[in-house]
Amino acid sequence: AQSVAQPEDQVNVAEGNPLTVKCTYSVSGNPYLFWYVQYPNRGLQFLLKYITGDNLVKGSYGFEAEFNKSQTSFHLKKPSALVSDSALYFCAVRDASGTYKYIFGTGTRLKVLA
Amino acid sequence: DGGITQSPKYLFRKEGQNVTLSCEQNLNHDAMYWYRQDPGQGLRLIYYSQIVNDFQKGDIAEGYSVSREKKESFPLTVTSAQKNPTAFYLCASRLAGDTQYFGPGTRLTVL
Repeated sequence: AQSVAQPEDQVNVAEGNPLTVKCTYSVSGNPYLFWYVQYPNRGLQFLLKYITGDNLVKGSYGFEAEFNKSQTSFHLKKPSALVSDSALYFCAVRDASGTYKYIFGTGTRLKVLA
Repeated sequence: DGGITQSPKYLFRKEGQNVTLSCEQNLNHDAMYWYRQDPGQGLRLIYYSQIVNDFQKGDIAEGYSVSREKKESFPLTVTSAQKNPTAFYLCASRLAGDTQYFGPGTRLTVL
């Protein structure tokens, strides 16, 4: 069965420090991986995706993610956190069966402290 | 939130009522999706449609129904058979690529 795990419910980081939000996945075949951000009472906004190619993917708002096939991980990173980055972050993987279904993690709440 | 609109933003339902949530997109996307979001559970797929006049059940379709008569529209009906409908409902669409784009959501509360 395909799945996505976000092991941390919440991550706290000081403003200006680097941040990492963790995601691991289990999927048959080549993974199609995504990160989304959600602000309170809003829809999800697309940040970045990995389909193929360079393991380091750059996305919106200075975020990047590193695909690690051997560790089946796709951690979200940012070199210097902003208070405005505080939000709920979701990792997702596309189902490899060809149905174009997507499996989401349970989300990680990022809190950036001033 | 792009070219996907959901209405209403807030919806209140009495016990035993059916209610319909609207989702419209002007992105010319073929595929559309409905998700339910509950605290601590992430997003769970209710229904999805790859093309007009065709749709498939997701993981939690019981108590819900959909239609896809037009490419732009994918309304979701929450029926009285859905015993715990209070949640945040998100609609998404996708073109030929893999990225889904989400609407702003509808918060449904049962009174």
